[in-house]
Amino acid sequence: QQQVKQSPQSLIVQKGGIPIINCAYENTAFDYFPWYQQFPGKGPALLIAIRPDVSEKKEGRFTISFNKSAKQFSLHIMDSQPGDSATYFCAAKVGGATNKLIFGTGTLLAVQP
Amino acid sequence: DTAVSQTPKYLVTQMGNDKSIKCEQNLGHDTMYWYKQDSKKFLKIMFSYNNKELIINETVPNRFSPKSPDKAHLNLHINSLELGDSAVYFCASSQAGVNNEQFFGPGTRLTVL
Repeated sequence: QQQVKQSPQSLIVQKGGIPIINCAYENTAFDYFPWYQQFPGKGPALLIAIRPDVSEKKEGRFTISFNKSAKQFSLHIMDSQPGDSATYFCAAKVGGATNKLIFGTGTLLAVQP
Repeated sequence: DTAVSQTPKYLVTQMGNDKSIKCEQNLGHDTMYWYKQDSKKFLKIMFSYNNKELIINETVPNRFSPKSPDKAHLNLHINSLELGDSAVYFCASSQAGVNNEQFFGPGTRLTVL
C-alpha cells in the first residue's frame, strides 16, 4: 500500500520533445506529491510538487498532471533540453506530522541534442 | 555556503568494520533524515529526527544507529558492516510542518569490500 509505481524506467527524447513520466499509488492517505530531480553524483532536489486537490500545476517548463480518482500523476517537461538529462523521482508524502516521503523507482531521462 | 553537508563523500571499508557518516545543515531546519539509495537508484527513508527526537524509524537493521546531538547535526553509525550495506547514503533536512521541502546533501558513497 505504501508504494509508488513509476514508469518508464528510462526515456530518451530529442531536444524540444516532451518526455512524460508517470506514477501511480494506492494509499489514499498520501497528501502531497513532489517530484525530485537528481543529477549524477548529486543529491535529489525538489523540482515541483502538487497537492491532491489540484489537477495541474506548472512551473516553467515542468507540469504535473494529477488524477485523484485514478490515483495517478505525471510529470511533463516541455521543450526538453540536454541539461534536463537526469534521473527523476516521483514521491508521495504520508499524511501526518512526520513528512515521510515514499519515492518511486526513478526514471533516467536522456535528452539528445 | 553548503546547505546540507555530509562527510565523508566516499567511504571504502572492509566487512565487519564500524563506520560513521556525519551530516550538518545550516538552513535552520528542525527535522533531519537519512536515506539509502541502492545500486538501482531506489531511494528509501531510514530515519528522521525532529528537534533531536526520533520520529521515523523504518525497518532497518539495528546495526544502524542514528544520533542527533543537536538540531543541525544528524550522524549515522553503522556497526559490523556487511556487503549489502554498500549504497549511497543521503542526509536531508526540512522544516517541520505540512509539505515542507526536503533538502538533500551530496551523499556518501559507502563501499563494503
